[in-house]
Amino acid sequence: DQQVKQNSPSLSVQEGRISILNCDYTNSMFDYFLWYKKYPAEGPTFLISISSIKDKNEDGRFTVFLNKSAKHLSLHIVPSQPGDSAVYFCVSGNQFYFGTGTSLTVIP
Amino acid sequence: NAGVMQNPRHLVRRRGQEARLRCSPMKGHSHVYWYRQLPEEGLKFMVYLQKENIIDESGMPKERFSAEFPKEGPSILRIQQVVRGDSAAYFCASSPTGTGGKYGYTFGSGTRLTVV
Repeated sequence: DQQVKQNSPSLSVQEGRISILNCDYTNSMFDYFLWYKKYPAEGPTFLISISSIKDKNEDGRFTVFLNKSAKHLSLHIVPSQPGDSAVYFCVSGNQFYFGTGTSLTVIP
Repeated sequence: NAGVMQNPRHLVRRRGQEARLRCSPMKGHSHVYWYRQLPEEGLKFMVYLQKENIIDESGMPKERFSAEFPKEGPSILRIQQVVRGDSAAYFCASSPTGTGGKYGYTFGSGTRLTVV
């Protein structure tokens, strides 16, 4: 039961450019969506969340956009840095459902 | 202020043996969650516990898997009669409040179970 989907398994971006990671969901009942970041051999780390009543939330270099009509959210990282290279997971508000992740590589 | 502590980090078991994975939540956190990550897949929720109570176990396989979070001590995820398909990374997370909301959980570094 894929309640959240990340269709791009990987993304490569040049340092300094924008990284855009995408996520689609099926259940409109969630109050929040969250993004986590995960390095190899470590647990996920919470990054940023967005309320379903908002369409944008910004925290430093990270901005999450929510398009409710399309059931789509995206994470923008600007400017991208090599330390951002990790796997990013889109997560439902009850945190029961994780997407399959997008592996971001930022090339110096 | 230690984070979520999981041990062991790596566990090797032969088919048919039992695996016990331990998780100590962050200080002040009374809510614990277990997730499993199979190779090439995302994290799958397994079970949500509070002290001495299982709140939601909708993600737990019906057989061989059990979890507890006693009044004293760590939370334990127990897998009986392990099979090769149980090989995965098992992550524990904790939070001061229950599910939902805008705050993420704090995750441990995981236990990597290998069944040979």
